[in-house]
Amino acid sequence: DAKTTQPNSMESNEEEPVHLPCNHSTISGTDYIHWYRQLPSQGPEYVIHGLTSNVNNRMASLAIAEDRKSSTLILHRATLRDAAVYYCILQTTDSWGKLQFGAGTQVVVTP
Amino acid sequence: EPEVTQTPSHQVTQMGQEVILRCVPISNHLYFYWYRQILGQKVEFLVSFYNNEISEKSEIFDDQFSVERPDGSNFTLKIRSTKLEDSAMYFCASQLGSGNTIYFGEGSWLTVV
Repeated sequence: DAKTTQPNSMESNEEEPVHLPCNHSTISGTDYIHWYRQLPSQGPEYVIHGLTSNVNNRMASLAIAEDRKSSTLILHRATLRDAAVYYCILQTTDSWGKLQFGAGTQVVVTP
Repeated sequence: EPEVTQTPSHQVTQMGQEVILRCVPISNHLYFYWYRQILGQKVEFLVSFYNNEISEKSEIFDDQFSVERPDGSNFTLKIRSTKLEDSAMYFCASQLGSGNTIYFGEGSWLTVV
């Protein structure tokens, strides 16, 4: 399975943007880039996913490098509720539900 | 918003006992999953279930584990003879179709003593 590398933690001030990097240098052509987050004592929650083009939704934006070897999740205005562990996961279409979670990035938001 | 619900939220059981964790997936979803997370560790895939059969399972999902969809609404995980190392948070998840968003429940915390 293709692997991802994320920083262990990142800190942000409330209402500031947060840019969460993810390296996936061994990504294959059929791998989608997924982001999930896990708030304390809760199950994982889908954030966003993409293949090649940048994606936006109500929660975040996903910027994908042209060579697809890295991506960045952007939280435009961090709130205290965004404090969570964020996971960058590669997913193939023939095994869509088998998510391989890594350690993720712990996002700390300070008021 | 529709959600995946799990019961019980917390269960304490003695080693060697059977445990059944229950899940009600989102009503029109077709793909179902169990994951677990041992305290302080990563979320791990256990099993996927589609069309009334297991479609994929991990090495963790050995003969002590089984899954069932006994009726149109419930999806259960049974651990036949619990071990101390089965203590973990177990998450159920469901998905409308392959390629759609996967929705997770809040989890069932299992403590084996």
